Amino acid sequence: GQNIDQPTEMTATEGAIVQINCTYQTSGFNGLFWYQQHAGEAPTFLSYNVLDGLEEKGRFSSFLSRSKGYSYLLLKELQMKDSASYLCAVSPNTGGFKTIFGAGTRLFVKA
Amino acid sequence: GAVVSQHPSWVICKSGTSVKIECRSLDFQATTMFWYRQFPKQSLMLMATSNEGSKATYEQGVEKDKFLINHASLTLSTLTVTSAHPEDSSFYICSARDKRLAGAGEQFFGPGTRLTVL
Repeated sequence: GQNIDQPTEMTATEGAIVQINCTYQTSGFNGLFWYQQHAGEAPTFLSYNVLDGLEEKGRFSSFLSRSKGYSYLLLKELQMKDSASYLCAVSPNTGGFKTIFGAGTRLFVKA
Repeated sequence: GAVVSQHPSWVICKSGTSVKIECRSLDFQATTMFWYRQFPKQSLMLMATSNEGSKATYEQGVEKDKFLINHASLTLSTLTVTSAHPEDSSFYICSARDKRLAGAGEQFFGPGTRLTVL
């Protein structure tokens, strides 16, 4: 079966750094995505990892270890607008390029 | 950037009626589109994969006769919720994959349609 786990909620302080972890067990692997979703809105793409290692994009970085079935999203210099849900998603390579989403981590940034 | 639109953005209907939701890729062609449903404070649940020119592939537990999907062109997929009931009230989101991208590729999401069935 397909299983993606991430913490339900996290709280961090403005200006700080927060790491959101994601572990996955899927039938095949063709890439891992992180999306940001504000309440009542559609998800927006943050990052895509298909090879092991760290991908950095501005204040956001994403890490992947395929052997461990593990990824994290790192957010630096947190801003209040970063309060949102962060969705870890995996393309299991079962054909059709579908993506399986984790339940999401709700991040609360406090002043 | 790649833009996906959905129409309508919200709809309220009576129980027993059918509702059609359109998903369009505005500046790229999408051989594959995906339909998701999201209940409050929950993640996206994939309902079906819409393939241009062929039948949709439904996820386990999703009734294909209730949620009709048509992908008539490379830029348009429609989801029709037939005989809607209050439990079908949800946030429906589509996404599209640019046919030019190799591999899994990024999905571009529409803004979502909030359906309320009275």
